[in-house]
Amino acid sequence: GDSVTQMEGPVTLSEEAFLTINCTYTATGYPSLFWYVQYPGEGLQLLLKATKADDKGSNKGFEATYRKETTSFHLEKGSVQVSDSAVYFCALSERNAGNMLTFGGGTRLMVKP
Amino acid sequence: GAVVSQHPSRVICKSGTSVKIECRSLDFQATTMFWYRQFPKQSLMLMATSNEGSKATYEQGVEKDKFLINHASLTLSTLTVTSAHPEDSSFYICSAPRQPTSGYTFGSGTRLTVV
Repeated sequence: GDSVTQMEGPVTLSEEAFLTINCTYTATGYPSLFWYVQYPGEGLQLLLKATKADDKGSNKGFEATYRKETTSFHLEKGSVQVSDSAVYFCALSERNAGNMLTFGGGTRLMVKP
Repeated sequence: GAVVSQHPSRVICKSGTSVKIECRSLDFQATTMFWYRQFPKQSLMLMATSNEGSKATYEQGVEKDKFLINHASLTLSTLTVTSAHPEDSSFYICSAPRQPTSGYTFGSGTRLTVV
């Protein structure tokens, strides 16, 4: 079945540092890929998405590129802020799986001033 | 747009009682709603998929009689935790696909504490 693997956290960075959170996936078809963010005490929010190979999703300074050859969708940000501290979830969905989401384990990011 | 309203956001109940959690799609019709559970410091686990007008599909290991799901209309799905026990304490969250490739809209989640 489908699966998503993320790097384990927590990831602790200083403000303005470069961020990479790795995400790789296995899927039987051609999934859509997503990054969701969960801020403390809140629900999940869609951060960005990509629906086909080589697509780049971007939002709020975060980027991720759909790499079919390496089955990856790594999340990057050039300069993190304290307000980026949250848990980040990589996820995929496939039409032949009823479009339900398969989540990675989540990566907690802590940014220190 | 594409807002899912989930409530209550927090609930504390006594062991043995039942708790109902509601998810409403406010500006779109949700023929399908997914219910997830999140244990502390763990990822989201899909519990069940509710479909409007038909029985919910439960994931392996999820007790159907304990977690009752009803999707009676195109804008409302409910999850009832029956005879709750402390081990049911968790964060429950629903989501609905407005358009599958556009992402999913999540409710704000319900923190259930059973004492």
